[in-house]
Amino acid sequence: DGGITQSPKYLFRKEGQNVTLSCEQNLNHDAMYWYRQDPGQGLRLIYYSQIVNDFQKGDIAEGYSVSREKKESFPLTVTSAQKNPTAFYLCASSIDSSTADTQYFGPGTRLTVL
Amino acid sequence: ELKVEQNPLFLSMQEGKNYTIYCNYSTTSDRLYWYRQDPGKSLESLFVLLSNGAVKQEGRLMASLDTKARLSTLHITAAVHDLSATYFCAGAGGTSYGKLTFGQGTILTVHP
Repeated sequence: DGGITQSPKYLFRKEGQNVTLSCEQNLNHDAMYWYRQDPGQGLRLIYYSQIVNDFQKGDIAEGYSVSREKKESFPLTVTSAQKNPTAFYLCASSIDSSTADTQYFGPGTRLTVL
Repeated sequence: ELKVEQNPLFLSMQEGKNYTIYCNYSTTSDRLYWYRQDPGKSLESLFVLLSNGAVKQEGRLMASLDTKARLSTLHITAAVHDLSATYFCAGAGGTSYGKLTFGQGTILTVHP
């Protein structure tokens, strides 16, 4: 089955720790995205990547880092510099970022800071 | 910078009734997307609207786009309980097609 997988589903982080959220897609999509969703709010773009080995900051990139070493993988690291990381994190992909194709979303990772 | 606003933010409907969710955006948006999110779940794509006057329908949902008014609507016909969810619109424009800007979401509850 083609789709987007995210792991883990739930993640707990202690103060001062870095944690990495996994996102994998087998849709052969060039573009991948990371969004953050806070309760009762819409999605905000953290980072996006249009092609392997290239990525751009979104609207709220501070305290986050990404890499895109493989087409199918776009991991997100939440660093200790992110002051309020508790949120629902969603990864998405699309055929590429220059067309009108919709973005397809993974199931999400719920991150909680203890 | 594109801003997207939805209204209402909360919508309580009776089964069988009709209603419309509005999505206004601030600057040129070449495309408008509608998504559905069930509680605790991910987003499901509903519609992609690409041009002025575009109308798309799926079951009891119909979406339209008026680029001159910078307005998209999601019309619900004869609501049923299964439509209860949060609905988001998102715009994109300029050269950064991939950068979607989302509205706040409309929480729809359909009750008997």
